[in-house]
Formats: sequence, C-alpha cells, structure tokens
Amino acid sequence: QVQLQESGPGLVKPSQTLSLTCTVSGGSIRSGSYYWSWIRQPVGKGLEWIGRIYTSGSTDYNPFLKSRVTMSVDTSNNEFSLNLSSVTAADTAMYFCAREERFLEWFINWGQGTLVTVSS
Amino acid sequence: DVVMTQTPLSLSVTPGQPASISCKSSQSLLHSDGKTRLQWYLQKPGQSPQLLIFEVSNRFSGVPDRFSGSGSGTDFRLKISRVEAEDVGVYYCLQTIQLPRTFGQGTRVEIK
Repeated sequence: QVQLQESGPGLVKPSQTLSLTCTVSGGSIRSGSYYWSWIRQPVGKGLEWIGRIYTSGSTDYNPFLKSRVTMSVDTSNNEFSLNLSSVTAADTAMYFCAREERFLEWFINWGQGTLVTVSS
Repeated sequence: DVVMTQTPLSLSVTPGQPASISCKSSQSLLHSDGKTRLQWYLQKPGQSPQLLIFEVSNRFSGVPDRFSGSGSGTDFRLKISRVEAEDVGVYYCLQTIQLPRTFGQGTRVEIK
C-alpha cells in the first residue's frame, strides 16, 4: 500500500520560500505509471492543483503559480519536493501531495496534508 | 482553464433521503478517446479527499452502490440514493481533460 507523507515548516514569513517534501513509501517514485502532484487547500476553501512532476523530472505547473513554483524529484530517497517563492498570506493553506495515475488520471493516494501558515 | 461550477454549495439531508449535486464544466470533458474526464471526490472532515467516481459514472473500488454518477459533455451529476451519516463531508468534481487540473468549489453535505 503506497503511502505519502508531507513534511516541512508549518510557518513561513512573507516574501520567503515555502519548501515541502513528500516522502513516498510502499512504492517506487521511479514508476512510470504516475505523476507526483501537489494540491493545496486554503483553510475552509476548495482544492487547487499546484502542479506535478514525473519521474524523469519533467513538470507541469498551474499557470496561476507558475512563476513562483519549482518542483523536483529525488529518486534515491523516494521523495519529491515543492518550492513556492515570494509567499504571501494568500499562500496559507493545507498542502497535500498526491499520486496521479498516468492513464486513468485519478488521485487515489494522498498524503494527510500539512498546514503552512504565512505570517511574520 | 476549465471552470468547474458546482451547485448547490451546501446540502442538509435527512438520513435515508436522496441527495444530488450538479457539476458543470466550461467546456466539454469528452476526450478524443471517447472517455469523459470527470471524477468525483469526497473529503470527509479532517481527511484527505477520496475518489468516489471516475469517468463520469464508474464507481471506484469499495465505493457503496448508493453513489452514482451521470452526465455527459459539460453537465454532470452525483447522486446519493440514501444518505448515511458517514457520507458527511465536502464533495468535489474534478476535470482531467486538460491542464491545469481544476476542481469544483465543493458541496458540503451535512445530516439534518
């Protein structure tokens, strides 16, 4: 059973960079059958797709955030990461990592989420 | 971006009664391969979203048959034939016809 676990600071200062890591267990991030995704949810609000990375390192980002987002994959540690630069209070949210099946395009495996607050 | 619009935004349902949620997309979700890229998720309180329905009407493994999905093109519906207490949460539709992936605003279902 694949499990995903987010980790990273819960508090980030405005204008700084938010950095999160998602550790994958029970399956290999090298699998060509999946995209490794980040989705966020402002408190009390809906889900927003941030982007995804493939095992090769190729990425797709939401244009809304594209200028501030960088994703990377570390196959040796079976994890992938999200960097979001120049954060503001509007970036305060629960951040989920999730696995998107490449052909059926569904999200079955999610992390539990990690709350990141942007505040000075 | 494909805009996904759900209605209503909240529902209060008596246990055993049906519930229905609409999801409309700003463009057709019918892919050239003949499949329609519309999914439904339920986010129970304090949990991550869980997949209920894929390709409009296919229930994911383990999803009770009281959940059903229907629709085509740009107009979709999720129905719960008899709501149970465990169905409480926020329901989201999701399109995967194109990037970026976009979700509906969510419909909160509560029990009366």
